[in-house]
This record gives sequence, C-alpha cells and structure tokens, in this order.
Amino acid sequence: GDSVTQMEGPVTLSEEAFLTINCTYTATGYPSLFWYVQYPGEGLQLLLKATKADDKGSNKGFEATYRKETTSFHLEKGSVQVSDSAVYFCALSPRGAGGTSYGKLTFGQGTILTVHP
Amino acid sequence: DAMVIQNPRYQVTQFGKPVTLSCSQTLNHNVMYWYQQKSSQAPKLLFHYYDKDFNNEADTPDNFQSRRPNTSFCFLDIRSPGLGDAAMYLCATSRDQGGSTYEQYFGPGTRLTVT
Repeated sequence: GDSVTQMEGPVTLSEEAFLTINCTYTATGYPSLFWYVQYPGEGLQLLLKATKADDKGSNKGFEATYRKETTSFHLEKGSVQVSDSAVYFCALSPRGAGGTSYGKLTFGQGTILTVHP
Repeated sequence: DAMVIQNPRYQVTQFGKPVTLSCSQTLNHNVMYWYQQKSSQAPKLLFHYYDKDFNNEADTPDNFQSRRPNTSFCFLDIRSPGLGDAAMYLCATSRDQGGSTYEQYFGPGTRLTVT
C-alpha cells in the first residue's frame, strides 16, 4: 500500500537558518503530494501541494518539488522564523482517485520543528 | 470566509458517558472526514462520507459512529468513551468531482478529555 516516510525529528534551528525536511513516498501511479503544518493546539493547514512530476509547490517562503525519479517531496525554506515552529506533515493522495479512495490522505509521521531566536 | 468549524474546541466527558462532536462547513464540499490524532502523531482516519455514503475504515472501533444529516454538518458519536479515546478529533472536507479529488481542508479540532 501507499506510505510516506519523513525524516526523524525533532528539528531545532536558530532563526534565519536553512530548513530541509525530507519526505519520500511509496505509491502506485502518480499521487498528489502535500505538506500540511499544524501549530500547537490547532488543526492542520495546507502549506503547499504538487500534483505532477517536477511541479514545485510554494507558500510563505516554503518550497517543495515533486521528484518522481527519487519519489521525494522535500520541504525547504531559506530562512526560518520563530513563528515557523510547528509540526510538519508530508502526505499523499492518489490523483484522480474518485472511486473508493476518495482522495484519502496517507500521512508521514510528522516532524516537530522548533526555531529559537 | 469559507471554512470548517468544529464545536466544541474542548470537551470533557466521563468514562462510559456518550459524547457527540460536531463539524460544519461552508465550503459546500461533498466529502467529509473524521480523524483521530494523539500526541502530535499523524492523524488516523476513522471514516468518511462521500455525499451520503458512509465509509468506515477497517480498524475503526464500533464504539465510534457518525452521522451526516446534510451537506454542511457531520457528527462524531462516541458511544462509550474509554481513557484511550482521549485525543484530538479533526474534521476535514474535500471536493470530489469527476474522479479528481482536491486537497482536504481541516477544522481546528476538538480536544477530548476522558475522566
């Protein structure tokens, strides 16, 4: 079945440091890929997405590129802020699912990011 | 703003006392999901509705039930909460049209405490 693997956490950085959170996936076909962010005590917010190979999703300074050859969707940000401290989840959904999966999300285990001033 | 709303944000119930969590959405999405999330783990899908069709995950305990009286509202019923059911419960919605499903939008969650 489908699966998503994220780098082990937690990740602790100083403000303005470069961030990479690795994400690799296993899936049949061409899934859609997502990064969700969860701030303390809140629900998940969609951070960015990519729906086909070589697509780059970007939002709020974060970027991730859909790499089919390496089945990866690594999250990057050039300069993190204290306000970026949160849990980050990589996820996939079968694209054009319809049918019985109805876009069901498969999540990675989450990576806790803490940014210090 | 169109959104997913969950009430209450915090719910305390007693061991074995039935409890209902509520979700509403103004996005007019046809698919609604309920997730259970413990301690910053990945959310675990309990079930989802595609329009009025209910789809239960194979490992969801019978103790968890759901109702969707109309497009906008969906309820999670826990018939006899145990201590292990204490968690954050997340509602999400998505739009599925013509075989293409779009991203899920999550509510803020309800934190359930069982005493």
